[in-house]
Order: sequence, then structure tokens, then C-alpha cells
Amino acid sequence: SQTIHQWPATLVQPVGSPLSLECTVEGTSNPNLYWYRQAAGRGLQLLFYSVGIGQISSEVPQNLSASRPQDRQFILSSKKLLLSDSGFYLCAWSHMRTTNEKLFFGSGTQLSVL
Amino acid sequence: GENVEQHPSTLSVQEGDSAVIKCTYSDSASNYFPWYKQELGKRPQLIIDIRSNVGEKKDQRIAVTLNKTAKHFSLHITETQPEDSAVYFCAASIEGSQGNLIFGKGTKLSVKP
Repeated sequence: SQTIHQWPATLVQPVGSPLSLECTVEGTSNPNLYWYRQAAGRGLQLLFYSVGIGQISSEVPQNLSASRPQDRQFILSSKKLLLSDSGFYLCAWSHMRTTNEKLFFGSGTQLSVL
Repeated sequence: GENVEQHPSTLSVQEGDSAVIKCTYSDSASNYFPWYKQELGKRPQLIIDIRSNVGEKKDQRIAVTLNKTAKHFSLHITETQPEDSAVYFCAASIEGSQGNLIFGKGTKLSVKP
């Protein structure tokens, strides 16, 4: 069966520090991978998605970047965090041939930038 | 691009009553509409979805209706139970595209025993 791992679960970082959140998927090949941010009152906002290694699409201009160095690994990064980067970050995957259908979410990372 | 509006933002019902959450979308090309449930402290999970070739779909106490002409779709929960309390998200996308799923802002449903 497929599983998705996301870490860390919580993170407290000072403003201006770097960020690296990692997500890995097991049990499937060529998944579509996604990073979402969940802020209070704003629902689930798509940040990045990837349909293959090295292929990253950004949905909103921001202080963050994403990379997919391996087929089942998706990384969310920032060189310098802002206060506004605080939020709950969710990684997700879907089957390659059923794009956008049935997203499987990771357990999330609660990021607090102080 | 697609824009999904969801109402209400909060909903409180008595156990046993019905709950209805409504969403509208802007892109007439959208043809896939899922609903996700997120319990407190947990990850969102798909509970039901509907494609544009049908107008209604049911799964036990949950049903979703779609009006393509009006570009709106709704989630109906009957005989609500305390365990239905959660945040519900609607979403819309173009099936098979390499685009993305656009979510509504969520509805916090509280079912009072």
C-alpha cells in the first residue's frame, strides 16, 4: 500500500532563517506531488505541484521554492523565512494517470515563524 | 483561472439534523468536484466526489449535487452525528489536466449532541 511521510511535524524558526520541509511517498511510482499551505480562513492554498523529477510548477509568487530531486521526494524550501510564512503545510500525492483526483495528504507541518 | 467560493464558513446543527454546504466555481471547463473532510488535528481526506456527467451522487448519509448550468455544487449530510464535526473543503478541477485542484476556504461544521 502507498504511504506518505512528511516531516517535521512542528517547526519554530526565527525570521530570516532557512527552511527545508521534506516529503516522501512509498509504494507508488511517478506520483504527482503537491505542497499546500493551510492558513486560518484561507482554506487550502496550492503552492507547488510536480508531475515528474525536476518539473515544478508554482501557483503563487512567494518566498518559497520547491524541488523534486527524486521520483518520490518533494522538498519545500526557503532561504529566508518571513513572518507571513507561518502556517500549516501539507504535502500530498495523486496517481500520475489520474491527475487531480483523490489527493492523499501527509500529516502536515505546523510552521511558526517568530 | 478557477475560483471556488464556499459557504457558509461555519455551520452548527443539532445531532440528527441535516447539513448543507454550498460551493460555486468560475471555470466552466471544470468537470471534477471532490469534497474533503479534515477532522481536528488530522489530514484532509476525500469523502466523496462527482464528475460533470452526473447530477447527483450518494454514499450512505452523504450526497453531492451538481448544477453545471449555474456552476454550483453542494454537499448534503443527513442524520448528522457528532463525528461529522470537522472542516469540509470543496474543490474543482479539470479532470486529467496537469493543472491543479482549487479548494474552497472550508466550512467548519459542528454537530451538537
